[in-house]
Amino acid sequence: GAGVSQTPSNKVTEKGKYVELRCDPISGHTALYWYRQSLGQGPEFLIYFQGTGAADDSGLPNDRFFAVRPEGSVSTLKIQRTERGDSAVYLCASSQSEVTDTQYFGPGTRLTVL
Amino acid sequence: QKEVEQDPGPLSVPEGAIVSLNCTYSNSAFQYFMWYRQYSRKGPELLMYTYSSGNKEDGRFTAQVDKSSKYISLFIRDSQPSDSATYLCATLDLNTDKLIFGTGTRLQVFP
Repeated sequence: GAGVSQTPSNKVTEKGKYVELRCDPISGHTALYWYRQSLGQGPEFLIYFQGTGAADDSGLPNDRFFAVRPEGSVSTLKIQRTERGDSAVYLCASSQSEVTDTQYFGPGTRLTVL
Repeated sequence: QKEVEQDPGPLSVPEGAIVSLNCTYSNSAFQYFMWYRQYSRKGPELLMYTYSSGNKEDGRFTAQVDKSSKYISLFIRDSQPSDSATYLCATLDLNTDKLIFGTGTRLQVFP
């Protein structure tokens, strides 16, 4: 069956530009997570959706980062005024519903800010 | 102190060797522990999921949790070149509902 998909797989942008990263979770999964993974590090939590609402956005580094999930399925992570320090792999994961359910990860979007 | 500590490696072993990967964690309240495998330029995939203390075996993989020493291990028997990847330990913090990952250990199995 289809897993979690993310688009684009790679995104190169210039400092100061706006980017959107998309995540398609596994069908039927109500929980959706965004993580950021820097080189040589493990994934770090950014935001967690349960259905359409952001249940926890405490991992978003600052107000340049925002995420939505308007219909409870696809989610978009939006980064305004990108900085070179935003360069990382952005991973999306989904799980059935409970926090103890297994999280299935997508392949990630590699963001490079020049 | 980081909540989950993991030696980044790299760890290089010959094919057929037994591999031991380890993590320590700081919060004795943690109960759920996972091992993820991540191939280069791919997302993490779940290998093992354990609750509380004890061992869990799945084929060539054994996960072990020692809550008294706050130590988690993954053993790979008869390692194969296809096992070459980064292995991430993780724990679920039920107070925050967040998965906390270690830095990952890069494993290279050479033929």
